[in-house]
Amino acid sequence: DAGITQSPRHKVTETGTPVTLRCHQTENHRYMYWYRQDPGHGLRLIHYSYGVKDTDKGEVSDGYSVSRSKTEDFLLTLESATSSQTSVYFCAISPLAGNREDGYTFGSGTRLTVV
Amino acid sequence: GIQVEQSPPDLILQEGANSTLRCNFSDSVNNLQWFHQNPWGQLINLFYIPSGTKQNGRLSATTVATERYSLLYISSSQTTDSGVYFCRYSQGGSEKLVFGKGTKLTVNP
Repeated sequence: DAGITQSPRHKVTETGTPVTLRCHQTENHRYMYWYRQDPGHGLRLIHYSYGVKDTDKGEVSDGYSVSRSKTEDFLLTLESATSSQTSVYFCAISPLAGNREDGYTFGSGTRLTVV
Repeated sequence: GIQVEQSPPDLILQEGANSTLRCNFSDSVNNLQWFHQNPWGQLINLFYIPSGTKQNGRLSATTVATERYSLLYISSSQTTDSGVYFCRYSQGGSEKLVFGKGTKLTVNP
């Protein structure tokens, strides 16, 4: 999507290894989110950020950490990947907290496979 | 937490048919929004509709917050409407945005 890119697009990793996914935006939006999508569960919020160095947990945060040292980058880290973390990960950005009339945009997703 | 039910879970239509998708909530919600995920996985923002009705071409949405539901109408469906439709909300105005499990729509030519 224009203004938001996720990298890598695909990754296969071994159980127990650390993995970092990157979300990069050029929109200067304040809010950034990480979701995972699994069959039967829809999209579930992992972590979100409401500013540089300001982050909070979502509903499925166990096993994940995040960092936001710059407005444009939001990193999701799996400290020690497990097979249950095999999923498609989506990043989203939004300009404002209370008004999502415009600008709530998703990246194209990262397909992560843990073997 | 708030429970959300999207119905139907699956829907198959012939091109040209109309359909109504529904989200029911167990309590009042904020920031209600509808998204479409196309068959290639891309998520597209359709409507931000905390209350009232909005229309955009063949699609329209209505939220009745007092009765805890939202509807998405698709008229004269096209094969490009296929995919999964999600409603998303926040609880108590928080940043913790929650998605329903979606309605999978298949439109056959």
